[in-house]
Amino acid sequence: QVQLKESGPGLVKPSQTLSLTCSVSSGAINSGSYYWTWIRQHPEKGLEWIGYVHSSGGTFYNPSLQSRLTMSLDASKDQFSLKLTSATAADTAIYYCVRGMLNFDYWGPGTQVTVSP
Amino acid sequence: EIVMTQSPATLSVSPGERATLSCRASQSVATNLAWYQQKPGQAPRLLIYGASTRDTGIPARFVGSGSGTQFTLTISGLQSEDFAVYYCQQYNNWPPVTFGRGTRLEIK
Repeated sequence: QVQLKESGPGLVKPSQTLSLTCSVSSGAINSGSYYWTWIRQHPEKGLEWIGYVHSSGGTFYNPSLQSRLTMSLDASKDQFSLKLTSATAADTAIYYCVRGMLNFDYWGPGTQVTVSP
Repeated sequence: EIVMTQSPATLSVSPGERATLSCRASQSVATNLAWYQQKPGQAPRLLIYGASTRDTGIPARFVGSGSGTQFTLTISGLQSEDFAVYYCQQYNNWPPVTFGRGTRLEIK
């Protein structure tokens, strides 16, 4: 059973960088050729795919967020991370870290991030 | 970007009966479609992928069907734990993969 858990600030000021980390159960992140994805859920807009990082370190981002987005993976720590620059209120959402490239079988519990002064 | 439209927005069904949820894609997604269940305060849970393949541990009362632009999730013999929000998601044309806005299945 793969377990994931998000961590990071729950409150981010506008124009600052939103940074989150996902901790994956020990050894799972490099146990196969897996993709590690971020998805967010807005109360009004629903579920939005942000992008993924592969266990090799390769990334692929949502074109609508690409210019502000960086994802990375640290296998030695069983973690992957997300950085979203120039945060606005539109980035307020629950952020989930997830295993999978195109459909998603393991999810973290989610973390609420609010962008507000 | 492919738009996924789910109907109805809310469906009221009695326990023990059958629920039929619909999902329509704005263009063909072949059978590259998944269904998720989300309960309050929880993350979504993968039920179905490939339009009709149940994920590991998903009960047989959950049946997915369809191809192209029209898909259905049928839940037979509804149990109390099945009342939740259900989302469809296409992964045929990406980036990005896209989700529907959900159908809330409530107890009648």
